[in-house]
Order: sequence, then C-alpha cells, then structure tokens
Amino acid sequence: NAGVTQTPKFRVLKTGQSMTLLCAQDMNHEYMYWYRQDPGMGLRLIHYSVGEGTTAKGEVPDGYNVSRLKKQNFLLGLESAAPSQTSVYFCASKRLIETEAFFGQGTRLTVV
Amino acid sequence: DQQVKQNSPSLSVQEGRISILNCDYTNSMFDYFLWYKKYPAEGPTFLISISSIKDKNEDGRFTVFLNKSAKHLSLHIVPSQPGDSAVYFCAASARLSSGSARQLTFGSGTQLTVLP
Repeated sequence: NAGVTQTPKFRVLKTGQSMTLLCAQDMNHEYMYWYRQDPGMGLRLIHYSVGEGTTAKGEVPDGYNVSRLKKQNFLLGLESAAPSQTSVYFCASKRLIETEAFFGQGTRLTVV
Repeated sequence: DQQVKQNSPSLSVQEGRISILNCDYTNSMFDYFLWYKKYPAEGPTFLISISSIKDKNEDGRFTVFLNKSAKHLSLHIVPSQPGDSAVYFCAASARLSSGSARQLTFGSGTQLTVLP
C-alpha cells in the first residue's frame, strides 16, 4: 500500500516554463489537497478537491491550476513558473468522514 | 493574518525530560485540532488529535491539551527521546462554508531537538 505518491521529487525550472506535479493516492480517499511549505510560513493550501471532477481554491491559488479527472489523481500545474513559486509542495488526501490527512513525501521545486 | 500560530520556531530539551510545544488559534470555528510531525525530506505524518469537545487526549508518550477559552493547545511529550527530534506542526480544522468540505490550517512549525 503506497499511500500518497508525488512525482517528481525534485525539479528545477526556468522562469516562464510550465510543469505539472502529479499526486496519486491508492486509499480511495475523497478529498485531495495541494500545499506549499515555505520557511516560517508552515503549510499553505493552494487548491483542493472534494471529489472527482471538482476543485476549489485554497489560501494561495494564484499562478496554479489543478485537475482531478480521476479520483486517485490530483494534478497541480504551473503555466508560467516564477521564482516566487520556489517551494516544497505537498499533496495530501483524506477520507470524507475523517479529519486526519495523509501526506506525500513532497516535491522540491526551484524556479531560477 | 495567521489563524494558527506557533510562536516558538525551535525548542531544545534533554533526553528523558518533558517537551512542551504550544499553539494558539484565532478562529472560533475550528472544532478539531491535530499535531503532525515532520522529518527532513519527508511529508508530515499524523501524530495525535483532539476534538473541541474534549480538553485532553493521550496516546502513549504524547498528550494534547486544549484550552478553548484561551484558544490554546499544547503537545506534551514525556519522556522525550532523540528520535522525537523533528518539526512539529499544529493544525486546526473547520468545516468550510461550502457544503461538507473541511480544510486544515497549519501553524508555521516548531523544530524540536532532543539532546542525548
């Protein structure tokens, strides 16, 4: 049972490039989330999804887009990367009736 | 404006002693609180939680205390072990206004170092 898996683990982008981060969970969880972690800021919610085909904005959504075409996958896209998007990105998922969320191992993204 | 605050970026304690990590919140809608532990290069892992209808929850060496009137919670680890050295995040959960969705709001974390 892999839990929550993020791909890739590391990436360096040039300003203006685009990329997609993939999150996959095998626990049949309804909810999925994308967070970013920055020094002194904790984890901040970017976007989330309460089910297949539905997404919503979190605290810091600007510059990101998401899609959830399949229940097990939640994609985070950067259309035109900026240095301010240098961060560690975490995906999480949880069941509808529970409060505890399970996290992936993170993706370290550097935009130069 | 941070709704969940961990005012101590770091804490060092001796092995065997008690570690106390603190967290304050401002949103009265929060009704569930969690502590997560994070090692370097890993994702956060769930440690312990408490519902707002309780004031204490214990799990082995870990106890979480909730003071609703003060909007304050704390995590006690006793006895502390070197393997407990990690970043600890406090998180609070509230039901979003849009249907049944819940959202976790995290504090900025406290780096705990347990000295052997």
